[in-house]
Amino acid sequence: DSGVTQTPKHLITATGQRVTLRCSPRSGDLSVYWYQQSLDQGLQFLIQYYNGEERAKGNILERFSAQQFPDLHSELNLSSLELGDSALYFCASSSAGTSFGEQYFGPGTRLTVT
Amino acid sequence: DAKTTQPNSMESNEEEPVHLPCNHSTISGTDYIHWYRQLPSQGPEYVIHGLTSNVNNRMASLAIAEDRKSSTLILHRATLRDAAVYYCILRVNSGGSNYKLTFGKGTLLTVNP
Repeated sequence: DSGVTQTPKHLITATGQRVTLRCSPRSGDLSVYWYQQSLDQGLQFLIQYYNGEERAKGNILERFSAQQFPDLHSELNLSSLELGDSALYFCASSSAGTSFGEQYFGPGTRLTVT
Repeated sequence: DAKTTQPNSMESNEEEPVHLPCNHSTISGTDYIHWYRQLPSQGPEYVIHGLTSNVNNRMASLAIAEDRKSSTLILHRATLRDAAVYYCILRVNSGGSNYKLTFGKGTLLTVNP
């Protein structure tokens, strides 16, 4: 158990819909990272927040957005969903800010878009 | 964009050393090399990272070539639990405090009993 929790575990929704994925980092970690893992694209970094502020951006689509709240939990919002958005979404946390040091990954949320 | 190249798969026997290679020929001086692994049905797990010098920790060793264009993750004695996909990752500075993370496709390591 990494100490990072993600909810829900599974999510099934239809194209065009909007969903919110939630992540609670390990106690004391200020950085939260979001990743997408699909069969064809592999593991891709989406975005990082550090203590409530966006710190780094990866291959995140404009239809996707994220935020980190004062209690440090984070949410990833996915809108106008397409079939290709079906994937495993991982959240990770670390104590580091700009350095990509040791990250602790959650168990993931499996999103299925039908 | 800086990227990494890894073999798609490798096989090892239990209790033997394993050397997992990674090429990153476009790496620049400030890019860190990181390794993560992903066991079946789990999220990725940190293994090790380094910049220029070889690094050791309780899980593995990281050997970085002198020109930094390649690196090797060394598992000293493979166990069945080490069967996983191993990712070689570059943390690439893209100006100021911004950086990009470039993942390799990963190497699927099979460990035979």
